[in-house]
Amino acid sequence: KAGVTQTPRYLIKTRGQQVTLSCSPISGHRSVSWYQQTPGQGLQFLFEYFSETQRNKGNFPGRFSGRQFSNSRSEMNVSTLELGDSALYLCASGFDGDRARDTQYFGPGTRLTVL
Amino acid sequence: GDSVTQMEGPVTLSEEAFLTINCTYTATGYPSLFWYVQYPGEGLQLLLKATKADDKGSNKGFEATYRKETTSFHLEKGSVQVSDSAVYFCALSYTGNQFYFGTGTSLTVIP
Repeated sequence: KAGVTQTPRYLIKTRGQQVTLSCSPISGHRSVSWYQQTPGQGLQFLFEYFSETQRNKGNFPGRFSGRQFSNSRSEMNVSTLELGDSALYLCASGFDGDRARDTQYFGPGTRLTVL
Repeated sequence: GDSVTQMEGPVTLSEEAFLTINCTYTATGYPSLFWYVQYPGEGLQLLLKATKADDKGSNKGFEATYRKETTSFHLEKGSVQVSDSAVYFCALSYTGNQFYFGTGTSLTVIP
């Protein structure tokens, strides 16, 4: 079956702009999580959505937001971009997000560059 | 708080060498532990996991044992191949909670 897809794969934006990233989970998966990956900070959890509700949130400013649609597809939005937002943004999907029994499948990521 | 510490990389090994990547954790509860692998240009893939103390996770020749007494989950492989070259991440998670990832260890295997 198809894996997790993320679009676009690459983005270049300038400071102050906003950006929307999309994640389509594996069919049947209802949990989608987002992570930011940078060389300095590593992988950091942004938020998790389950059945259109934000279930968990990491320690990021309010400029980072997300949503999930009824078909489980998820989008994340970053407003007023800063240079430090340049990163690889990864999403992961699972059936219900229970880490102990549910395998999380990651997408290839969206590489965001802020100039 | 909860955190994961991995050995610094990069690690360079010759083919068929023995691999150990150290991982220790700090946890307030009883997490599940994971190793993920990231190949160039790809997302993370689950390599193995262990959900409770003394469990051993294994996959593709890799294995790791959940050691509660030493708060460790070291990754080992007896004979690495060139195709194992990737970045390896140790992580912990609780039921219904997010992952806490280590910083990653880059492995290069040379023929």
